[in-house]
Amino acid sequence: DADVTQTPRNRITKTGKRIMLECSQTKGHDRMYWYRQDPGLGLRLIYYSFDVKDINKGEISDGYSVSRQAQAKFSLSLESAIPNQTALYFCATSGPSVVDEQFFGPGTRLTVL
Amino acid sequence: AQSVAQPEDQVNVAEGNPLTVKCTYSVSGNPYLFWYVQYPNRGLQFLLKYITGDNLVKGSYGFEAEFNKSQTSFHLKKPSALVSDSALYFCAVRDIRNFNKFYFGSGTKLNVKP
Repeated sequence: DADVTQTPRNRITKTGKRIMLECSQTKGHDRMYWYRQDPGLGLRLIYYSFDVKDINKGEISDGYSVSRQAQAKFSLSLESAIPNQTALYFCATSGPSVVDEQFFGPGTRLTVL
Repeated sequence: AQSVAQPEDQVNVAEGNPLTVKCTYSVSGNPYLFWYVQYPNRGLQFLLKYITGDNLVKGSYGFEAEFNKSQTSFHLKKPSALVSDSALYFCAVRDIRNFNKFYFGSGTKLNVKP
C-alpha cells in the first residue's frame, strides 16, 4: 500500500464546506480511480482517469469533482459537503493491461457533520 | 450489465477448518474476476485473479479460487483457516466493454475463531 498514498487519513468537516482528498502513487500507472466504500455496499466508482488529459465519471459522480495534476497525482473534491458523503474513500491505480489488478491506497475516512 | 454478488455478509469458521467465501457474477462475455482482502484500517489488497485457463487459481496467503462458468461462480477457498485470515473480502469483475471499470461485491466478513 505504500505505493499509493492518501491524505488526509481522517477528516471531520461540516456541511457546506469544500474538501479535497489527495492521492499520490509511485507505481508509474496511468490509470487512477476514486471509490467510496459504505457498509454493505462495497466499493462504488466515483471517477477514473486514463491519463492527465482523460477523466471520466463513474457510477456516483454527483457532488464530486476531480483533478489529475500529474501522472502521479489524482485529487477528489467535494465542493459543498453533505452528511450522506460520510464514507471511506479509496484511491486506486492499475497498469495498462486488461488483466492487471488494482492497487489501493490506505483510505480516507471522511465524516460530514 | 456487469455485476457481482456476495450472498453472505459474514462467514464464521474455526481455525484449522476449510473456508469458502462465495461470489457469483453476471457479465456479458468472458469474465475477468478478482479477489481482494481488506484488513482493518487498510486499503484493499489483491489476492488472486482469473483471466483464462485453469479453473483453479492460486493466490497469496494460501488462498485459491475456483472458477465455475456453468454456475457463474468464483468462490474463494482455503484448506485450513488461520485467525489472521479474519478480514473483509471483496470479489470484483472487470467490465469487458470498458476495461477501466471494475465492479465490486458488497463484501463478506470472515471471522476465524481460535
